[in-house]
Amino acid sequence: GAVVSQHPSRVICKSGTSVKIECRSLDFQATTMFWYRQFPKKSLMLMATSNEGSKATYEQGVEKDKFLINHASLTLSTLTVTSAHPEDSSFYICSARDVSQGTSSTPLHFGNGTRLTVT
Amino acid sequence: QKEVEQNSGPLSVPEGAIASLNCTYSDRGSQSFFWYRQYSGKSPELIMSIYSNGDKEDGRFTAQLNKASQYVSLLIRDSQPSDSATYLCAVTISGSARQLTFGSGTQLTVLP
Repeated sequence: GAVVSQHPSRVICKSGTSVKIECRSLDFQATTMFWYRQFPKKSLMLMATSNEGSKATYEQGVEKDKFLINHASLTLSTLTVTSAHPEDSSFYICSARDVSQGTSSTPLHFGNGTRLTVT
Repeated sequence: QKEVEQNSGPLSVPEGAIASLNCTYSDRGSQSFFWYRQYSGKSPELIMSIYSNGDKEDGRFTAQLNKASQYVSLLIRDSQPSDSATYLCAVTISGSARQLTFGSGTQLTVLP
């Protein structure tokens, strides 16, 4: 089945620094990837939709200058948390859909997530 | 009104029993429905997808969809302690660029 690889799985950084998270589709091409954030005991909240070759689409309330998204190729999207603050500490998860298997009815496949802790 | 609603639980069932998880959604145009399981600290994993009214069975799992009532459920037969997790209902929202909206999840505990 489709595999989505996310790296790193855990990162601890100091306040004010930037952190880059990578999301790769390993055995399929993904023109669109989705970035979610999840706080403890809460559901997944979509942050942005990453589009290969064009700008990402951000959800309301998500600062595009703080959460930089780059979809460099059909298999790689990156999320950079800039000038991180403790309140950015969360579980970040990327996902992608293998559109060669269909359209929006095809399930999303998730990366293993990145636990970000900002001290 | 939330687009996808689930009882947050926690739902506790004894080992071997049937666990019933429910989900309602607001968009009548939704076409695709998914159940994901998420263990604590892990990312969601797909366990069932359903697209048409009725029941769909896969091993111990049965998904049920009723589009007229805007209701989708997941039954887990012969529940095992390893089934203890949070179960997320996800629905495609018609006309939305987000394409998939998640419920808040139901925490299930299977007691040995």
